[in-house]
Amino acid sequence: ELKVEQNPLFLSMQEGKNYTIYCNYSTTSDRLYWYRQDPGKSLESLFVLLSNGAVKQEGRLMASLDTKARLSTLHITAAVHDLSATYFCAASGAGSYQLTFGKGTKLSVIP
Amino acid sequence: DTAVSQTPKYLVTQMGNDKSIKCEQNLGHDTMYWYKQDSKKFLKIMFSYNNKELIINETVPNRFSPKSPDKAHLNLHINSLELGDSAVYFCASSQDLITGELFFGEGSRLTVL
Repeated sequence: ELKVEQNPLFLSMQEGKNYTIYCNYSTTSDRLYWYRQDPGKSLESLFVLLSNGAVKQEGRLMASLDTKARLSTLHITAAVHDLSATYFCAASGAGSYQLTFGKGTKLSVIP
Repeated sequence: DTAVSQTPKYLVTQMGNDKSIKCEQNLGHDTMYWYKQDSKKFLKIMFSYNNKELIINETVPNRFSPKSPDKAHLNLHINSLELGDSAVYFCASSQDLITGELFFGEGSRLTVL
């Protein structure tokens, strides 16, 4: 059974600082996804990573995938308050249709 | 135009009642899902339908019954509601089973008293 672990689960950081959220998964995975959820809102797709070494960037967020290490990272550069949200990673096992989500990382960016 | 829409957004009901949540997507996707998000924000898949056919049926009490009248709609009916059913239920869709990228509805917050 695929397990997806994120850390940290809670992250409080100052504006302007950099930080990385880690997402480990337990078995071979075809694909890795990152989502953002604002309080009381839906989940919004941020990144889809489909191959080893994939790197995608959008604004202050950059996601990467290392399938050999079974690790994806979400790097935040020069955080701003608007990035405060909960970030989820999700993976699907090889040959599986089903996405397994991590527990989410609640990010608070403090002025 | 909302891509994945759910109704109602909020339900408050008594234990033992039956309730339904409706979901529609206008993205032309083949695959639709129901996810449950508990109070700790943990997301777990409940059901998945592909072209109206049930594909994934996780370990969910049989009080929960999904129905897909066509590939743009996936409804969730819950019988004999229990306190533990209180959660936010998200509908989602994806282009197909392979693509996997999910587009979520806004969620339906169910509170069972």
